[in-house]
Parts: sequence; structure tokens; C-alpha cells
Amino acid sequence: NAGVMQNPRHLVRRRGQEARLRCSPMKGHSHVYWYRQLPEEGLKFMVYLQKENIIDESGMPKERFSAEFPKEGPSILRIQQVVRGDSAAYFCASSPLSGRATEQFFGPGTRLTVL
Amino acid sequence: AQKVTQAQTEISVVEKEDVTLDCVYETRDTTYYLFWYKQPPSGELVFLIRRNSFDEQNEISGRYSWNFQKSTSSFNFTITASQVVDSAVYFCALSEAVITGANSKLTFGKGITLSVRP
Repeated sequence: NAGVMQNPRHLVRRRGQEARLRCSPMKGHSHVYWYRQLPEEGLKFMVYLQKENIIDESGMPKERFSAEFPKEGPSILRIQQVVRGDSAAYFCASSPLSGRATEQFFGPGTRLTVL
Repeated sequence: AQKVTQAQTEISVVEKEDVTLDCVYETRDTTYYLFWYKQPPSGELVFLIRRNSFDEQNEISGRYSWNFQKSTSSFNFTITASQVVDSAVYFCALSEAVITGANSKLTFGKGITLSVRP
């Protein structure tokens, strides 16, 4: 049973380019969380999605960031016109249930570097 | 609003020493979950423990033990006889325990960098 998969593991972009980060949840999981870890910081919640629905995006920057979790395929975190401050590790986690704080299973993260 | 404070930022010990990592949390919820995660130098997040707010029993797992004190809002983590492989960043986290379909996002502390020297 494969765990949460994220790709790419490392992504380098120049300022102004777009970054697309993918997250495939564990089999049978339909809930996905995205977190961002800035250098020397803890993880900060960004967005919580269920299939085809954004449930809570209170942690997402208002501009340039978007997320989706389509009926088929992985969840995508998209960052448009990246800036150096977007350089961070982005983790996704999946869980099988809503409504209870069950363990979230984390992916290995995508490390984004903006040149 | 929820908050997790890990006041220690870096700890350095010599192998075989015991070390305690502190975690203090704030929440208005009466029911919640507390977590510890380990982030080794390779960068992934390794789940260590989840504790329900109703369960104040201390837990021991091998060299790891956790002390949950609701009265002081603390959930401290002790590594006994530390080893070099314990060197990592350790995060404490908090989540609401809602049962109505709301999300259970985690609030993390800033982490404690533990270095265990041979």
C-alpha cells in the first residue's frame, strides 16, 4: 500500500514562472491537506480539500496560490508568478476520514527553490 | 485560536544522555488531539504519537516517553539514552477533534532541533 506521494521532490523555478506541485493521497483517502514549511519554521496549514471541493483555504495567500483536488487524479497546488519568498518545502497529507482528528499521513514534501 | 509553543529551539546532548523536549499548547476546545512528529535531515515527517485530550496517561514506547499534563497545557517528550540517529527536528502539533465534518488541520510549533553527539 503506497504512502502519500508527492512530485516532484525538488523543483527549481525562476521568478515569474509557475510552479505545480502534485500530491497523490493514500489509496482510499479522499481528504488532502497542504502545509508549507518556510526555512527555520514549523509547518503552516494552507488548505484542506476533499474531492472536487475546497473546504478550508484560510491559510492560503490571497494571490497567486490555488489548489484543486479533482475527481480523478492528484491534488495540485499551483503557484503563479513565483517569487523568492515562495521558496519552501510544501507537504501534503491525506486522511481517510473527515470529522475526526485521525492521523494525517504526510508525503515526503516538495522542495521549491525560486531563483 | 490554537497555538503551540516549543520554547527550546536547539538542544545538543551527548549520546546516552536523556533529553526532554517541551511543548506547551493553547486551545479553547475541550476535546483535541496532540501530536509529535520527527523530521530527520532527509526532510520527511515521521509520525511519533497522537494523544487524545481525554487520555492523560503517560505513554512509553521503547526509549520514547510522553508526559501529558492538562493542568499545565503541556505535552513533553523524553528520549532516554539518546542516540546519534535521534538527531532531527521535532515538532509538536495540535488539532481540534471535531465530529461534524469540519477539518482537522494541524497547528505546529516551530520545532526543536536536537543534535546528539557521539
